[in-house]
Amino acid sequence: GALVYQYPRRTICKSGTSMRMECQAVGFQATSVAWYRQSPQKTFELIALSTVNSAIKYEQNFTQEKFPISHPNLSFSSMTVLNAYLEDRGLYLCGGRANSDYTFGSGTRLLVI
Amino acid sequence: QQKVQQSPESLIVPEGGMASLNCTFSDRNSQYFWWYRQHSGEGPKALMSIFSNGDKKEGRFTAHLNKASLYVSLHIKDSQPSDSALYFCAVSPLPGTGSNRLTFGKGTKFSLIP
Repeated sequence: GALVYQYPRRTICKSGTSMRMECQAVGFQATSVAWYRQSPQKTFELIALSTVNSAIKYEQNFTQEKFPISHPNLSFSSMTVLNAYLEDRGLYLCGGRANSDYTFGSGTRLLVI
Repeated sequence: QQKVQQSPESLIVPEGGMASLNCTFSDRNSQYFWWYRQHSGEGPKALMSIFSNGDKKEGRFTAHLNKASLYVSLHIKDSQPSDSALYFCAVSPLPGTGSNRLTFGKGTKFSLIP
């Protein structure tokens, strides 16, 4: 079956520092990868969509300068949170899509102190 | 911009009971609809999808879609303790519209009466 692994599962970083998270698709080829942030209130915010052979599309309120994403092949993606502050805390979810369904990983929980 | 709204915010039913979760969306170009379930400490997992108007049954779960009314629902029969979770409705537009965007609702917290 299709699985997505994210690591680390949980991380703590000091305010103003940066943190890189990774996403691995297993059992399928992720032609699209979506990065979401789930707030402590459980709301999903789409950060960006990366589709093979297309530029990475960032949503309003999220920029490449703050959340640079790499999607070098159909099984891997990474995202960095640069200069993390308190408002960046949450569960960062990576979803891989081959056909119509998105398969999500368990997320990377970011705590900022 | 697509708006997806879910109700109720939380729902408590007795074990063995039936539950109905509701979802409305705003974009008439929406074509693909999913229900995701998220247990504590995990990421959301696709529970079922529905693409055509009408009902779709998978075991104890039935999804209902009415595109004209911009409405999709999930019904859970014979609720089990393992069903306790957050349930999210997610909507995606027509393929070929240049977007693979999946828009989520804010979720319904579903619990069983202990």
